[in-house]
Amino acid sequence: DTGVSQDPRHKITKRGQNVTFRCDPISEHNRLYWYRQTLGQGPEFLTYFQNEAQLEKSRLLSDRFSAERPKGSFSTLEIQRTEQGDSAMYLCASSFRGGMKTGHDEQYFGPGTRLTVT
Amino acid sequence: RKEVEQDPGPFNVPEGATVAFNCTYSNSASQSFFWYRQDCRKEPKLLMSVYSSGNEDGRFTAQLNRASQYISLLIRDSKLSDSATYLCVVWDNYGQNFVFGPGTRLSVLP
Repeated sequence: DTGVSQDPRHKITKRGQNVTFRCDPISEHNRLYWYRQTLGQGPEFLTYFQNEAQLEKSRLLSDRFSAERPKGSFSTLEIQRTEQGDSAMYLCASSFRGGMKTGHDEQYFGPGTRLTVT
Repeated sequence: RKEVEQDPGPFNVPEGATVAFNCTYSNSASQSFFWYRQDCRKEPKLLMSVYSSGNEDGRFTAQLNRASQYISLLIRDSKLSDSATYLCVVWDNYGQNFVFGPGTRLSVLP
């Protein structure tokens, strides 16, 4: 399977614990995005990378959230001191944008990690 | 006003019907527009990009009106398998992020 993969698929944690999620994008894709989605809503942008550089981070993202993409391939999203309001589906997507083109291309999503904070 | 708004839905239509979804966006600097579909408890999947000249892919037609900041999706001859939530997506050049609408749910009935 050469699509976007995410691990774990499900995570249950107690309030106050730290959690880390992993995303492996499609191998030739240089852009990687993280989203959060709650029931009945569209995905909410969190942050994105071009190669290893984090280009944008949502102003809605608290300092408890951090993301990395150290080698420009896989990415991790860490949530520190989880709260019940962090319960959601965390989606990762990737895309390819080459050369000097501006704008954004189609994203391909992974299956998501469903986080439940008890 | 929300950045991206969609018809609230749900839309319940019989097989074979034509159905149209509407989407409006608030930031005139937006570029890059897409329609995604999302099945229940699954990830969004790209349906089609939306170009200024309008584009068609089989039974699906997307149109963009930049002056009115409006995007539409038309589905002809709807199938049971078209039942899903349809998400309008806009790249916000000002905020430098993708903005998803809340989605419009479609149920195609036999």
